[in-house]
Amino acid sequence: EAGVTQFPSHSVIEKGQTVTLRCDPISGHDNLYWYRRVMGKEIKFLLHFVKESKQDESGMPNNRFLAERTGGTYSTLKVQPAELEDSGVYFCASSQVTAANYGYTFGSGTRLTVV
Amino acid sequence: AQSVTQLGSHVSVSEGALVLLRCNYSSSVPPYLFWYVQYPNQGLQLLLKYTSAATLVKGINGFEAEFKKSETSFHLTKPSAHMSDAAEYFCAVSGATGRRALTFGSGTRLQVQP
Repeated sequence: EAGVTQFPSHSVIEKGQTVTLRCDPISGHDNLYWYRRVMGKEIKFLLHFVKESKQDESGMPNNRFLAERTGGTYSTLKVQPAELEDSGVYFCASSQVTAANYGYTFGSGTRLTVV
Repeated sequence: AQSVTQLGSHVSVSEGALVLLRCNYSSSVPPYLFWYVQYPNQGLQLLLKYTSAATLVKGINGFEAEFKKSETSFHLTKPSAHMSDAAEYFCAVSGATGRRALTFGSGTRLQVQP
């Protein structure tokens, strides 16, 4: 079984540019989550999809971030325009079950550097 | 509301020594608690989880953690450290009701000395 795949693994962009991160969850996993870790800080929740619907987007920092999951398969997270404080590692995770006690499978993350 | 505190951003032990990584949590609802590990250049891997069954939870690679409600703690232990245990460890909490999102601690980087 393939795991959660994220790409690119690294991205370096200039302030003001646009970047799109992609996440392919494990096949059949309806739940998809985005988290990010800003340098030296905690890993923080961004949002949760159930299939193509946003179940919880309370962690999205501002309207420069747009997440989509068309068709309920892969998801993209677009940052436009990128700011220096957006630098960090963006993790995607998926789970088959919505239950809080299930635990997720995480991808390896995308390291975003905004210069 | 939930929060997690991991005491010690860096812990160093000798190979063969006891590993103890501390985690205290705060939750307004019955918590589910998790420990994840991140090896270099890899994603987060679930080590173990507490979901209101047994308070002593055994995980992969010889790790275990004990849920102590009175102390609001969920410390991670391993009797004998191995070089391959060097990684960053994250404690996380979610509520048994409400939001499904995990709240993470700031992580503890474990170094194992030969």
